Amino acid sequence: QVQLQESGPGLVKPSGTLSLTCGVSGGSISSTNWWTWVRQPPGKGLQWIGEIYHSGSTNYNPSLKSRVTISVDKSKNQFSLKLNSLTAADTAVYYCARDYKYCNGNKCIGWLDPWGQGTVVIVSS
Amino acid sequence: DIQMTQSPSSLSAFVGDRVTISCRASQSISSNLNWYHQKPGKAPKVLIYAISNLQSEVPSRFRGSGSGTDFTLTISSLQPEDSATYYCQQSYSTPYSFGQGTKLEI
Repeated sequence: QVQLQESGPGLVKPSGTLSLTCGVSGGSISSTNWWTWVRQPPGKGLQWIGEIYHSGSTNYNPSLKSRVTISVDKSKNQFSLKLNSLTAADTAVYYCARDYKYCNGNKCIGWLDPWGQGTVVIVSS
Repeated sequence: DIQMTQSPSSLSAFVGDRVTISCRASQSISSNLNWYHQKPGKAPKVLIYAISNLQSEVPSRFRGSGSGTDFTLTISSLQPEDSATYYCQQSYSTPYSFGQGTKLEI
């Protein structure tokens, strides 16, 4: 079955750039699914950051769009997140997930499954 | 953007009870409503997708219902392992959004 694993630095400096990678195993990143980043600040709820398709098409949360880039590397079966101009408010657990899509004609439904285990990112000097 | 509002934000119940968690969308989201649960220190896991479809291996005591903008997660015959935080999520249009969560204490 498909498994996802986040990797990247756990501590980044304010005004710097967060760079995380999500490795996909047990399946191809070129399948008919989107690949998603979600974050969760300490003690708070879930925030959808954005998603990418293997073609490189992306959708971003407008609240983060000016600072976010999500990219895909099909040769390595992984996708990545970059978030710049960091502040303490970006401190969170960052999860990657597959957005599993099922379409019947032009009507599609989707849900996030599976998720990676999450990686803690702290923004601090 | 679509706003998702869950209620209650927390609740306590006993083993064997039945509980209901509500989720309201700020506009119609068709059947694009999912439910997740999250235990402390763990990633969320999908329980129910497309309003009422149980993910594989999810016990039948979980039931999802609703339509349009109003949705409900019902857990009958509560078990100790159901203690978790529950989130609804709309996958109708980006940015996909989550409810603020409901913390269930058994």
